[in-house]
Amino acid sequence: GENVEQHPSTLSVQEGDSAVIKCTYSDSASNYFPWYKQELGKRPQLIIDIRSNVGEKKDQRIAVTLNKTAKHFSLHITETQPEDSAVYFCAASWKGGSYIPTFGRGTSLIVHP
Amino acid sequence: NAGVTQTPKFQVLKTGQSMTLQCAQDMNHEYMSWYRQDPGMGLRLIHYSVGAGITDQGEVPNGYNVSRSTTEDFPLRLLSAAPSQTSVYFCASSYTGPNYGYTFGSGTRLTVV
Repeated sequence: GENVEQHPSTLSVQEGDSAVIKCTYSDSASNYFPWYKQELGKRPQLIIDIRSNVGEKKDQRIAVTLNKTAKHFSLHITETQPEDSAVYFCAASWKGGSYIPTFGRGTSLIVHP
Repeated sequence: NAGVTQTPKFQVLKTGQSMTLQCAQDMNHEYMSWYRQDPGMGLRLIHYSVGAGITDQGEVPNGYNVSRSTTEDFPLRLLSAAPSQTSVYFCASSYTGPNYGYTFGSGTRLTVV
């Protein structure tokens, strides 16, 4: 099955800095890579995703990049704000796994004002 | 649209008791899954369903049972609760296929004493 590794487990930045979270996946057949944000005590919510035929996708201050050869993908947050503080999860899914996503263990992002 | 509705939000069980966590969605999603979230462990898949009448095991299925008699409902049954099942449980659903993210329910915090 698929295995998703996520780093770092904790990331502390100053407001206005950039933050980068990296994930690697094991199965080259994976073709969909969503990112979820979970605020304290809340449910995970989809914030951005990327498909295997795309190398980069942006949505305002967040962007995701995918390197299929190296089997890794990253979440980039620019101009961080205190409300970006949350746990972020990456995931990968593929047809052989019925497209059920496998999640990384999460990154706790702390943005200091 | 109510989205994904989970009940109850909180539950305390005694060891050996059984109970059912309810999950319902009104988005006509074919895919539904149950995850448990433990500190530092991310979201681990318990059971999933790709349509009414079809269920399969995930990464951590022991001690749990599911059924999917309708598209809308996907209950999770704890057969004989153990302290190791103390966790936050999330139900999630999505459309069929590779390019759709999950919508999560608000979660159930379960404590087994």
